[in-house]
Amino acid sequence: DTEVTQTPKHLVMGMTNKKSLKCEQHMGHRAMYWYKQKAKKPPELMFVYSYEKLSINESVPSRFSPECPNSSLLNLHLHALQPEDSALYLCASSPFRGTDTQYFGPGTRLTVL
Amino acid sequence: AQSVTQPDIHITVSEGASLELRCNYSYGATPYLFWYVQSPGQGLQLLLKYFSGDTLVQGIKGFEAEFKRSQSSFNLRKPSVHWSDAAEYFCAVGAGLDTNKLIFGTGTLLAVQP
Repeated sequence: DTEVTQTPKHLVMGMTNKKSLKCEQHMGHRAMYWYKQKAKKPPELMFVYSYEKLSINESVPSRFSPECPNSSLLNLHLHALQPEDSALYLCASSPFRGTDTQYFGPGTRLTVL
Repeated sequence: AQSVTQPDIHITVSEGASLELRCNYSYGATPYLFWYVQSPGQGLQLLLKYFSGDTLVQGIKGFEAEFKRSQSSFNLRKPSVHWSDAAEYFCAVGAGLDTNKLIFGTGTLLAVQP
């Protein structure tokens, strides 16, 4: 089973709201990722967690706060977002090494009003 | 620095026709190469990957890709396209053994005419 699940599928929030995106995998993968994808663009890497520790932060604004409570779960906490943060947020996981295949979830479509 | 180029932003083919999507990469060592497909509003699905060995790689849905080191290319092919193949296709290269980063190309949007 190569499934990564993400909830919610869609999220609409105001600029003063606090919300969270959730990602889960049960493949025993030890690396998990958050990507942001704008329309007609490739995914842009935001964060990488390896063995539940943050290993890469691609200079993402602090209004995005990742969390990895355990090896199966990855959250992205959102606060005080801007309309330009509206995008498809993709989660992915991989066994661990840089050569390993990343498996993507279906994404959360976020709209910031 | 590593990079991936997909020269064709948009391609239209007729159903049943053959398909080739181009991908060129820039990488200093043996690359780890991937093709992903994305339907509108969906996540990315892995079509195939190349790590080493046979340079002709078979994937899902009847796709194949050929790694050509001399041309720094990893083109995706399908002998007969189906209407359900209409989607965005991304080529990607692994950024190195010591990192989990993928470098994506800008994507090629495939339209299929009946």
